[in-house]
Amino acid sequence: SQTIHQWPATLVQPVGSPLSLECTVEGTSNPNLYWYRQAAGRGLQLLFYSVGIGQISSEVPQNLSASRPQDRQFILSSKKLLLSDSGFYLCALAERTDTQYFGPGTRLTVL
Amino acid sequence: AQSVAQPEDQVNVAEGNPLTVKCTYSVSGNPYLFWYVQYPNRGLQFLLKYITGDNLVKGSYGFEAEFNKSQTSFHLKKPSALVSDSALYFCAVRDLYSSASKIIFGSGTRLSIRP
Repeated sequence: SQTIHQWPATLVQPVGSPLSLECTVEGTSNPNLYWYRQAAGRGLQLLFYSVGIGQISSEVPQNLSASRPQDRQFILSSKKLLLSDSGFYLCALAERTDTQYFGPGTRLTVL
Repeated sequence: AQSVAQPEDQVNVAEGNPLTVKCTYSVSGNPYLFWYVQYPNRGLQFLLKYITGDNLVKGSYGFEAEFNKSQTSFHLKKPSALVSDSALYFCAVRDLYSSASKIIFGSGTRLSIRP
């Protein structure tokens, strides 16, 4: 079965600093990959998704970007963090069954 | 537009009692429906899904959900609640207009089971 790793688990960053969150998956090939943000322990907002290496779709215009340099690696980045970027970031994957499976998440606090 | 609604922000149930977490959907076409659970500071865990077939779907941890086409509902149920079932529950529907398996999530319902 597939496994999703997210690194780091928690992160505290100052406003204006860069960001790089990593998601790596195992036990699967050519999955769809997703980045979500969850604010205040409630609703999920889809940020980006990718159907293959180098293919990124953005759902909302914002301060963040995503890249997929390898089939099983999905990276979320920012050049300059804002206070509003704080939240719980979740990586997910989907195979042919349409079911999405989620990683453990990264808690980001921007101060 | 496709959507799911979870009308209750919070559901409180005594341990041992049956529980229901409500979800209604709005889609054009046959829905693919999902339930996920999230424990504090954790990622979402897949519980169950409905694609076609039996209206009663059985999932993990003793949960089941009933698909009702006439009422456009997909309520999550469990016959006897445990304190460990306390968590945040999300209903979701597959975005039928997306070729990338995108899912539309409800706003979540916090389930609290008292001993």
